[in-house]
Amino acid sequence: GDSVTQMEGPVTLSEEAFLTINCTYTATGYPSLFWYVQYPGEGLQLLLKATKADDKGSNKGFEATYRKETTSFHLEKGSVQVSDSAVYFCALLKITDSWGKLQFGAGTQVVVTP
Amino acid sequence: ETGVTQSPTHLIKTRGQQVTLRCSSQSGHNTVSWYQQALGQGPQFIFQYYREEENGRGNFPPRFSGLQFPNYSSELNVNALELDDSALYLCASSKVGYGYTFGSGTRLTVV
Repeated sequence: GDSVTQMEGPVTLSEEAFLTINCTYTATGYPSLFWYVQYPGEGLQLLLKATKADDKGSNKGFEATYRKETTSFHLEKGSVQVSDSAVYFCALLKITDSWGKLQFGAGTQVVVTP
Repeated sequence: ETGVTQSPTHLIKTRGQQVTLRCSSQSGHNTVSWYQQALGQGPQFIFQYYREEENGRGNFPPRFSGLQFPNYSSELNVNALELDDSALYLCASSKVGYGYTFGSGTRLTVV
């Protein structure tokens, strides 16, 4: 079945450091790929998405490129802030028979220190 | 534009009891999905409702059931609660081409 694998956390960084969170997926067909962020005690917020190979999603300084040849969708940010501390989830979506479900990775906790 | 609203935010139930969680979907969204997020894990798909019918289901037993109403709001019902049902339950509304919007969730604790 479809699956998403993320690097384990926590990832601890100093402010202004470069962030990379690795995400790889296994899926048949052509899924859409997403990054969601979850702040403590809150639900999920969509960070960015890509719907086809070589698409680049970007938002709030975060970027991820849909790489079909390596089945990857790594998240990057050039200079993190303390406010970026959160749990980040990679997810894929496939539409099957007019319905779809998001398949999430286990999440990666990011801690940014001043 | 209203977001997705879930209620209650927290509740505590005893093993064997039944619980109902509620979700109001984002304006214009006609599909509602429910997810269970255990502590330290990613959300797991429970089921999806479209036009008041369940049209997709994950690997959850029948004691997890739901409803969708004409205004697209939804309920998740769980019977015969077990300790392992303790989790954050997330509702997401969507419409084709518009993506998924999640609510803040209901934290259920089963004791």
